[in-house]
Amino acid sequence: EAEVAQSPRYKITEKSQAVAFWCDPISGHATLYWYRQILGQGPELLVQFQDESVVDDSQLPKDRFSAERLKGVDSTLKIQPAELGDSAMYLCASSPRTGTYNEQYFGPGTRLTVT
Amino acid sequence: AQSVTQPDIHITVSEGASLELRCNYSYGATPYLFWYVQSPGQGLQLLLKYFSGDTLVQGIKGFEAEFKRSQSSFNLRKPSVHWSDAAEYFCAVGASLSGGFKTIFGAGTRLFVKA
Repeated sequence: EAEVAQSPRYKITEKSQAVAFWCDPISGHATLYWYRQILGQGPELLVQFQDESVVDDSQLPKDRFSAERLKGVDSTLKIQPAELGDSAMYLCASSPRTGTYNEQYFGPGTRLTVT
Repeated sequence: AQSVTQPDIHITVSEGASLELRCNYSYGATPYLFWYVQSPGQGLQLLLKYFSGDTLVQGIKGFEAEFKRSQSSFNLRKPSVHWSDAAEYFCAVGASLSGGFKTIFGAGTRLFVKA
């Protein structure tokens, strides 16, 4: 069964350092999502791609976060510089392209700890 | 604005007992509704979804949920809980917004199962 892949699974970094996360969606899925999940809360959408285009990044802190999906397949989320409040689980999800809503398939996540 | 409320932060049930997790949503149109489960340190797995039609939907692992438009609710139920059901459960609504569809998650309910 196809799965969404994410790496690394765990990352510890010091504040003010740069950190990057990678996501490989299920093959053929046009829509890719990055979520942040703070401990004790539900996932919050950071950015949504349709193919290589950003369709929603309204909740992405653009002064320090960036996301790209250059060829419309895998994606990278970067934080520079990291802050203590960025400690969270970062989840990637993908869904097929259709004209209506589709369920999302989630990867295992990257647990970030900023010290 | 669209929102999802899960009133119970955590619930404890005995193994073999029945379970009901509550979910209320706020959305102006007909919603797409979901329940996801998350085991510790893992991504989210879809349990079931409601798009239209029969308001009682069956999901995986013996779970079911009932959509009640008059109460804006989508409660999750299971007749007999197993120890392996201990996890975090998230209710979510899929909303049609400018730029596409967006999933809004509740804060989650953590289920504890006692022997």
